[in-house]
Amino acid sequence: SQELEQSPQSLIVQEGKNLTINCTSSKTLYGLYWYKQKYGEGLIFLMMLQKGGEEKSHEKITAKLDEKKQQSSLHITASQPSHAGIYLCGALPGYSSASKIIFGSGTRLSIRP
Amino acid sequence: GAGVSQSPSNKVTEKGKDVELRCDPISGHTALYWYRQSLGQGLEFLIYFQGNSAPDKSGLPSDRFSAERTGGSVSTLTIQRTQQEDSAVYLCASSPTEETQYFGPGTRLLVL
Repeated sequence: SQELEQSPQSLIVQEGKNLTINCTSSKTLYGLYWYKQKYGEGLIFLMMLQKGGEEKSHEKITAKLDEKKQQSSLHITASQPSHAGIYLCGALPGYSSASKIIFGSGTRLSIRP
Repeated sequence: GAGVSQSPSNKVTEKGKDVELRCDPISGHTALYWYRQSLGQGLEFLIYFQGNSAPDKSGLPSDRFSAERTGGSVSTLTIQRTQQEDSAVYLCASSPTEETQYFGPGTRLLVL
């Protein structure tokens, strides 16, 4: 079965600094989601990437999909306290498997003032 | 507009009791999903409803777990004879398509 590995597992960053979170799949990626989770707020959809080389941005967050490496990276520029939370990547194991998104274990991001 | 809502937000129950968790999806969303997130682990898919089609129950961990979706809207996840390993945050999501899923705040279940 497909597995997603996120790195790092946790990250503490000085406010204003940039950071990158990676998500690597054990199998071919047909689509990749990035979510942010804050306690009591549920999951917040950030973006979905479908094509190799695709890059999307949401405010100061940019994500890229590298199909060859079976990897996606999430980059935050000039981090702010509001960026703190758990970032989850999710992947589709097949073209018609939207019902069974597989998630990574998450990256816990803390922002130090 | 209103997002996905779940109730209760927290539930503490005794081992062996039955619990019902409710999900109100975003109006008009045809797809509804249940996930479970245990402490220190990622999200685990449980069940998927799409319109009037038979639900995909392939993720349900045991026959103690069941879910219904009435009238294509509200869904109830039922756990019978709860066990301590059922303790987790149960998340519901709805979607207008097969892509973007919008998640509710979750129900935190603690089985004592």
